[in-house]
Amino acid sequence: KAGVTQTPRYLIKTRGQQVTLSCSPISGHRSVSWYQQTPGQGLQFLFEYFSETQRNKGNFPGRFSGRQFSNSRSEMNVSTLELGDSALYLCASSLEPGQGTRMNTEAFFGQGTRLTVV
Amino acid sequence: DAKTTQPNSMESNEEEPVHLPCNHSTISGTDYIHWYRQLPSQGPEYVIHGLTSNVNNRMASLAIAEDRKSSTLILHRATLRDAAVYYCILRDFYNQGGKLIFGQGTELSVKP
Repeated sequence: KAGVTQTPRYLIKTRGQQVTLSCSPISGHRSVSWYQQTPGQGLQFLFEYFSETQRNKGNFPGRFSGRQFSNSRSEMNVSTLELGDSALYLCASSLEPGQGTRMNTEAFFGQGTRLTVV
Repeated sequence: DAKTTQPNSMESNEEEPVHLPCNHSTISGTDYIHWYRQLPSQGPEYVIHGLTSNVNNRMASLAIAEDRKSSTLILHRATLRDAAVYYCILRDFYNQGGKLIFGQGTELSVKP
């Protein structure tokens, strides 16, 4: 069974540009969450998508957005990049409680996309 | 979001058991206790989770206090590959969906 796949693995962008990151969840997983990891702030929740709808949102500015497609694949977009957006962006997918026999399920993380803004 | 408190760092010797504590005094009845770990240069990895009863799996054991205000992750025999940051997280899927709120975690170092 393939794991969570994030592309690209590494990215270098210039301040002011925009970037789109992609996440393919594990087959059958409909919940996809995104996280930002920096040395100073640690792992912070960005947003979660389920059935093409944003179900939860973290405390990030509107420059950070995402979407989910009907096949559960998800993308996140950061517009007008700032130097502080340099981070490891992680995606995680989960089954919903009640799918199969599990009443509470674990999240499976991808390897992440390392974004550097110069 | 209910919060967890963990020591910043712990040390262990290889082949010895490790007990990683976590306090979560504001836990609600619908919060599950999850543990994840993050090895260097990798995404977080699920370790174990539980609600009220102690849990065992091939990676670790989870001991949950009777009042659920604290829990302990137990690695029975630490190996060098267990050196990682361990995160204790409260997850309420029914009310808050799939999001995970990470704290600072405990950085575990394992000495040969």
